[in-house]
Amino acid sequence: AQSVTQPDIHITVSEGASLELRCNYSYGATPYLFWYVQSPGQGLQLLLKYFSGDTLVQGIKGFEAEFKRSQSSFNLRKPSVHWSDAAEYFCAVGTNTGNQFYFGTGTSLTVIP
Amino acid sequence: DGGITQSPKYLFRKEGQNVTLSCEQNLNHDAMYWYRQDPGQGLRLIYYSQIVNDFQKGDIAEGYSVSREKKESFPLTVTSAQKNPTAFYLCASTRLSGANVLTFGAGSRLTVL
Repeated sequence: AQSVTQPDIHITVSEGASLELRCNYSYGATPYLFWYVQSPGQGLQLLLKYFSGDTLVQGIKGFEAEFKRSQSSFNLRKPSVHWSDAAEYFCAVGTNTGNQFYFGTGTSLTVIP
Repeated sequence: DGGITQSPKYLFRKEGQNVTLSCEQNLNHDAMYWYRQDPGQGLRLIYYSQIVNDFQKGDIAEGYSVSREKKESFPLTVTSAQKNPTAFYLCASTRLSGANVLTFGAGSRLTVL
């Protein structure tokens, strides 16, 4: 069965520090992978996606993620966090048949000045 | 600009009442989805539809109903049979062809008094 695991429920970083949010997935075929960000009381905004090709993908707001097939991971990174990055982050897997999407439980990011 | 409109943003309901959440998209997307979001539980799929007049249950369909009479619209009714309806509800849509990305609405928060 397909599943997505985000092992960190909550992360706190200082402004200007680097960030890495972890995501592991379980899917039998090559997955489509996504990272979304959600501000309180809002919908989800796409940060970046991986469909195929280069395993290091760039997204909006200076975020990047790397697909590692051997580790079934798709970790999100940012070299220098800004206070405005405080939000909830969701990793998701999309199936290449059937248009199904599976989400992790999210990681809440707090940025301290 | 194209997007997904959810209404109302906030809704209060007395126990025993049915309520309907609206979701309209002008993206010409074929597939539409309803998710429920609770703190610490990520997004859980309620219903989805890939074509007009057809829809499928997701993981937590009990106590909910939907219709898809038009491609642009996918309303969700939260019935009195839903035991714990207080939650944040998110509507999303995507194309059916190729590698696709879910686009989300801004969400509707339902509170049962």
